[in-house]
Amino acid sequence: QKEVEQNSGPLSVPEGAIASLNCTYSDRGSQSFFWYRQYSGKSPELIMSIYSNGDKEDGRFTAQLNKASQYVSLLIRDSQPSDSATYLCAVERSGYALNFGKGTSLLVTP
Amino acid sequence: EAEVAQSPRYKITEKSQAVAFWCDPISGHATLYWYRQILGQGPELLVQFQDESVVDDSQLPKDRFSAERLKGVDSTLKIQPAELGDSAMYLCASSSGLGFSYEQYFGPGTRLTVT
Repeated sequence: QKEVEQNSGPLSVPEGAIASLNCTYSDRGSQSFFWYRQYSGKSPELIMSIYSNGDKEDGRFTAQLNKASQYVSLLIRDSQPSDSATYLCAVERSGYALNFGKGTSLLVTP
Repeated sequence: EAEVAQSPRYKITEKSQAVAFWCDPISGHATLYWYRQILGQGPELLVQFQDESVVDDSQLPKDRFSAERLKGVDSTLKIQPAELGDSAMYLCASSSGLGFSYEQYFGPGTRLTVT
């Protein structure tokens, strides 16, 4: 069973702090990695994709990938209460469906 | 902005009844996915289409679930008969599948409650 593991949380951070979300995966053949944000009762929204080792920045979000360690992370800088949601890590192997973790619940407190 | 459309948004049905969900992917997206998400879990694939062909339906409970994408555009997912354990969010996603990017975009989902 190819798995994606995330800490379910909740991860609580104060407003303005950096939130760090982590994900590990078991399939070494995985090639594409995604972070989705999901508000309660809503569908997942794609916020970051990363395909190569290293960092990728987009606004307040930075995705980090280390294929040797089979590790993906998402950093959210200057966290806002509106960032409070569940963050899903998803891993894909060349055209196949996404394999999702169970998600990490993030709570940003004012 | 292009979006994946789904209907209905909410469905309440009694067990043993039939239900159907519809999805219209982003225009030009050849790959369409149906996922099921149980509360507190990540989405899990039910079926993947490439144009009108099924690529993967290994996790689709074929005794009660069926899916089609006859003209390679919109798609229908059917459950007959519905069971209590089918209560979940049913999500449709699409991707262009072009080049190296397989970014998938989700529709709003259909929340199914089976009573």
